[in-house]
Amino acid sequence: DTGVSQDPRHKITKRGQNVTFRCDPISEHNRLYWYRQTLGQGPEFLTYFQNEAQLEKSRLLSDRFSAERPKGSFSTLEIQRTEQGDSAMYLCASSLNPPYEAFFGQGTRLTVV
Amino acid sequence: EDKVVQSPLSLVVHEGDTVTLNCSYEVTNFRSLLWYKQEKKAPTFLFMLTSSGIEKKSGRLSSILDKKELFSILNITATQTGDSAIYLCAVPQGGSEKLVFGKGTKLTVNP
Repeated sequence: DTGVSQDPRHKITKRGQNVTFRCDPISEHNRLYWYRQTLGQGPEFLTYFQNEAQLEKSRLLSDRFSAERPKGSFSTLEIQRTEQGDSAMYLCASSLNPPYEAFFGQGTRLTVV
Repeated sequence: EDKVVQSPLSLVVHEGDTVTLNCSYEVTNFRSLLWYKQEKKAPTFLFMLTSSGIEKKSGRLSSILDKKELFSILNITATQTGDSAIYLCAVPQGGSEKLVFGKGTKLTVNP
C-alpha cells in the first residue's frame, strides 16, 4: 500500500488521558498536514510540516496539542489531557510540492468519554 | 477571512439523474481549487482547477472554474449508487499551504 496510512484507526480514551496518533505519508512527499473533522463539517487545518520543519500551526492547536515529524518521514500528533471536545476524526494528508494536490489517509477517529 | 461555501448541503437523487454541486469561495491570492470525494473516511482527490473556463473531466464527473465570479461547479452525469458520498471543495488559504474546506455536499443516490 503506497498511500497515506494512519494508526490507530479508532481510539476511545477517558477524559484527561493523553493520546498519540501516527501518520506515515507517501514516501516521496515532503509535505505533511494534519486536519480535524467533526460531523457535518469539512476538515479544519491543524498544522503542516515541510520535511521535518513545522511551518504553520492553527489557532485550533492549543498548547495541549503537539505534533512532530522527526527526520521528515512519519509524523505524530499528541493530545494531552484530552477533553470531550477533542472527539473528532483526525486526518493526515501529504503532498509532494505545491500546487496542493494533497492525498489523505483514512483518519483516526477519537472518542473521549 | 478566507472561506468556502458549498451548496446544496444535501441532495437526494435517483440513479441516472445528473447533479450539479456548487462551490463559491473568497480567498486572497487565489492559486487553485480542489474537489474531493469523501465516502467513509478519507477524502479522495478528484480535481484541481487553476484556470477559468477549462473543464476537467474524469468519466462521468466534470468540473469547471469561474475565477471572475469566484465559483466552481462539479457535475456528475448518469449518477450511480456508488456516487453517494460527501463532496468537498477546498482552496489554499492566501499566503499559506493550509486548505480551507467547505462543509461539503452530501449526495445520496437512490436505486
